Amino acid sequence: AQTVTQSQPEMSVQEAETVTLSCTYDTSESDYYLFWYKQPPSRQMILVIRQEAYKQQNATENRFSVNFQKAAKSFSLKISDSQLGDAAMYFCAYRSSGAGSYQLTFGKGTKLSVIP
Amino acid sequence: KAGVTQTPRYLIKTRGQQVTLSCSPISGHRSVSWYQQTPGQGLQFLFEYFSETQRNKGNFPGRFSGRQFSNSRSEMNVSTLELGDSALYLCASSPSTLAGGPYETQYFGPGTRLLVL
Repeated sequence: AQTVTQSQPEMSVQEAETVTLSCTYDTSESDYYLFWYKQPPSRQMILVIRQEAYKQQNATENRFSVNFQKAAKSFSLKISDSQLGDAAMYFCAYRSSGAGSYQLTFGKGTKLSVIP
Repeated sequence: KAGVTQTPRYLIKTRGQQVTLSCSPISGHRSVSWYQQTPGQGLQFLFEYFSETQRNKGNFPGRFSGRQFSNSRSEMNVSTLELGDSALYLCASSPSTLAGGPYETQYFGPGTRLLVL
């Protein structure tokens, strides 16, 4: 079974600064998807960024980018120019690409605080 | 397009009762997944439905069940509620086509907060 580990339960960042959230995963599969979701206090889970394992290029979405190291099974999220609205729980998630494996496996999450 | 909607948003039940939660996916999405979120266990997968068929099931007791209708709307039912069932129940939908790729992204609803007393 796949496992996802987020080793930083809490992190903080000054507004306008850059922060990196860590995620590692364990799998024997070669093809899969990785995601970062954001869950603000309102509880709505919002997709931040997605990465297909077969793509070597790191995904980028505006101020959010990932550092995907397939061999190291590492998938970190970098948030640049942090804003107050970035304060939330961030979850790293894994999904197999194989048929019959449709669920997301989540890490425990990292609570990000943004300091004005 | 409207997002994933879940009803009710909040629910209070007592032990032994049963509860039904509803989820309406994004228009055109055919797959609906359910997750339970608790402070202790985090986010755990319950089950996934596609074209009215359960394709995947997580490690939950039989008290947890679900179904999907022909319009892709889904319901989950928990019978004989226990205190430990208190949680945020999240529903997610995805297009789930044979093409795979970006179509496999799951989009979440706001959740139903269930409190069992």
